Amino acid sequence: AQRVTQPEKLLSVFKGAPVELKCNYSYSGSPELFWYVQYSRQRLQLLLRHISRESIKGFTADLNKGETSFHLKKPFAQEEDSAMYYCALVTGFQKLVFGTGTRLLVSP
Amino acid sequence: DVKVTQSSRYLVKRTGEKVFLECVQDMDHENMFWYRQDPGLGLRLIYFSYDVKMKEKGDIPEGYSVSREKKERFSLILESASTNQTSMYLCASSLAAGGIGETQYFGPGTRLLVL
Repeated sequence: AQRVTQPEKLLSVFKGAPVELKCNYSYSGSPELFWYVQYSRQRLQLLLRHISRESIKGFTADLNKGETSFHLKKPFAQEEDSAMYYCALVTGFQKLVFGTGTRLLVSP
Repeated sequence: DVKVTQSSRYLVKRTGEKVFLECVQDMDHENMFWYRQDPGLGLRLIYFSYDVKMKEKGDIPEGYSVSREKKERFSLILESASTNQTSMYLCASSLAAGGIGETQYFGPGTRLLVL
């Protein structure tokens, strides 16, 4: 079955602390994975995709096929990083399967 | 800049009513999608369309239908609204691509309350 698991509903950290949002996937083929983010009162938008291997707003994510993971990391969290984060897997014809999301709360 | 717009931000309907949610994109994207977003469940795909007049069922199509008469417009129809269809509905669009996943661009969402 094609599935994305985000085990944490809420992750609460202090400003300046490292952040890791976990994402595990189940997929029989070669996976294509994304992280989408939704800031308060804004629309859902792409944060990064594993194919581009770029860092966006200080976030990075590495695909680990052995552990079937695509965790999102940032070394020093900022208050403006507080948002809802969704991991997503491409399945079939351009379709995305989303995880249940993790709310990141960064406190001052 | 890609713009995806949805006809309403908030809707209140009664059980049994027929409900239309409209989505328009202005970037000539081939693919369009309808999701519902529920706390603790994430986003779930209802229907998608990869061309005019084409539609494919997503993961939760029951109780919904769609229409795509023009490339830029994708409508979600609740034939007979029920309380369990109270949710946030998100529309998205993306380019067609050759074998790789393309970025999906989302609308602002329509929050539907069915009484």
